[in-house]
Parts: sequence; structure tokens; C-alpha cells
Amino acid sequence: RKEVEQDPGPFNVPEGATVAFNCTYSNSASQSFFWYRQDCRKEPKLLMSVYSSGNEDGRFTAQLNRASQYISLLIRDSKLSDSATYLCVVMGYSSASKIIFGSGTRLSIRP
Amino acid sequence: NAGVTQTPKFQVLKTGQSMTLQCAQDMNHNSMYWYRQDPGMGLRLIYYSASEGTTDKGEVPNGYNVSRLNKREFSLRLESAAPSQTSVYFCASSRGTVATNEKLFFGSGTQLSVL
Repeated sequence: RKEVEQDPGPFNVPEGATVAFNCTYSNSASQSFFWYRQDCRKEPKLLMSVYSSGNEDGRFTAQLNRASQYISLLIRDSKLSDSATYLCVVMGYSSASKIIFGSGTRLSIRP
Repeated sequence: NAGVTQTPKFQVLKTGQSMTLQCAQDMNHNSMYWYRQDPGMGLRLIYYSASEGTTDKGEVPNGYNVSRLNKREFSLRLESAAPSQTSVYFCASSRGTVATNEKLFFGSGTQLSVL
């Protein structure tokens, strides 16, 4: 079993729709969680951190469920510019080798 | 602001050739990393450097060497390239040590093909 798993998609949704995807992780000792966005042939960029209490940034909401060991990303009122691959990142403590990237979920927004 | 700068952007090598990927950051970050990204797989850590003068192996270090030349620069060397090293390589940096779990800033990547 992979340490971090994501549904690869693609998710193909119309503009204005709400879309959500999850990321599961296997190490219960994981400390920090993030969502990165990666456009085609570009570098990953931080979208948002994921806090225990859940957090929101505009149209984006991230949540953490430690009991079930998953994080989620919800995008409301999706825009064409949201088309990208979303990478889940799970970090352990004290070692860069414990920074684990998911393989990404591809999202395509259609007009 | 330049951020993290990687060179070259593209490279084609023949099996057995050597090359060095260069990476520099201008954010005064302590930690630097080299990742590779292959289709259908997450980014995998090759080597990292938690501070100037230190380097450590990541998940997939075989076939690679690194040098943390100074605080700004972290290079990745392929001594004898193999087709299995065909990939997209990303350099990244973070402000603190790896223990602080801070966000990563990435360079724009190097597309490497080994024939």
C-alpha cells in the first residue's frame, strides 16, 4: 500500500460546479498536511496548508480527518483556471525523507 | 524575485554520459531538495540538504550524487546516465530545517531524457 494515495482522476466538471477529492495516508504519526497545485509541465506550488480544525481560503476548503487518516480538498464555484493536478503532501517529523507526495488528482474544468 | 532557479530546462543524454543539474535559491533558505517526478507517481526525494555542509539520501539516491556548494546552491550529478533516469527533476528549498515542516518552493524543473 502506498503511503499517500490519491484518486488520479481525471475529474471533468463544468464551470461553476463544486468538486471534492480526498487523499488517504497510512502513517498515523504524520504531522503536517498540504495541498499543492501543479499545472501541466510546471512546478508544484503550495495551494494551502491543512489544519486540524479545517481551513478555508476563498473558494477552497481543506479538511483533515485524523481518525480515518485522510485529508480533503473542496473547490466551490470552479473556474476554468482551476484546471490542474492537485498534489496531496503529508509530512512526518524531523526528516525530509518523511515528506511524502501523492501522485496527484487531475482536474479539468469545462466551459 | 527569482526564487529557485534550475538549469538546464531540457537535456538529452546518451547512456553513460554524465551531467550536473544546477540549482540556486535567493531566499536565504536553509534546506534544499532534489526530487524526480515520473508519470503516475508522486515526487520522489533523491537527496536533500538540511543545512549548508550536510547532505542526506532520500528515497531514490542510487545513480546520483549531490553537492551543497554553499547556502544558495545545491547541485545534482548523474555520473553515468541510464534510461531509467529519464524523468523531470525538481529542485526545492524551504526556510527552516526539515523538522519544521515548512512549505517547499520549487524550481521550474529539468526535463531529462536518456537515450
